[in-house]
Amino acid sequence: GAGVSQSPSNKVTEKGKDVELRCDPISGHTALYWYRQRLGQGLEFLIYFQGNSAPDKSGLPSDRFSAERTGESVSTLTIQRTQQEDSAVYLCASSSLTGQETQYFGPGTRLLVL
Amino acid sequence: GIQVEQSPPDLILQEGANSTLRCNFSDSVNNLQWFHQNPWGQLINLFYIPSGTKQNGRLSATTVATERYSLLYISSSQTTDSGVYFCAVGWMTGANNLFFGTGTRLTVIP
Repeated sequence: GAGVSQSPSNKVTEKGKDVELRCDPISGHTALYWYRQRLGQGLEFLIYFQGNSAPDKSGLPSDRFSAERTGESVSTLTIQRTQQEDSAVYLCASSSLTGQETQYFGPGTRLLVL
Repeated sequence: GIQVEQSPPDLILQEGANSTLRCNFSDSVNNLQWFHQNPWGQLINLFYIPSGTKQNGRLSATTVATERYSLLYISSSQTTDSGVYFCAVGWMTGANNLFFGTGTRLTVIP
């Protein structure tokens, strides 16, 4: 596609349930990133994937968070046993390695944990 | 991580006015990007500018890496410039996570 897409755009869940968020990066982009943005805040890095290298998981806030990426395409971010503090917008970005690693962001998934 | 401070936190401008947004960071960086987040939440990359000066229409940016700051200039502001402007930095030129500031919220009034 022309840009980064994410689904669902909105997700409401009950505390304790698991959720899966999906990201489709720009075709040909080898790097993919997940960020979290709480209301009125800046973005917090969660995890990034670069080609076939081991992902950098240093930003994941707890072991309830995990992410996978299939080759250089789709990625899913999974949050297990959701808590109310997980409520936020989850943003995905992708970039190429052409010398200017500009990150292109998707529209985000707005997660609300009741 | 790298600490990123942006100022001012909020800015209200009359349409047509000029403004300067500042970003200070705590470590040497090889990656610096400016983003605009519109009122609908979409983040748009404005500049990839780890050093030097770039211009794009009414916007320009300057990064002085040795002094650990970057400036974003908006000239002849328009209501469509409203939103939050984020500065983000990273250690490496390759793919790496970015550390974001808390943003400058700009409101341009007609």
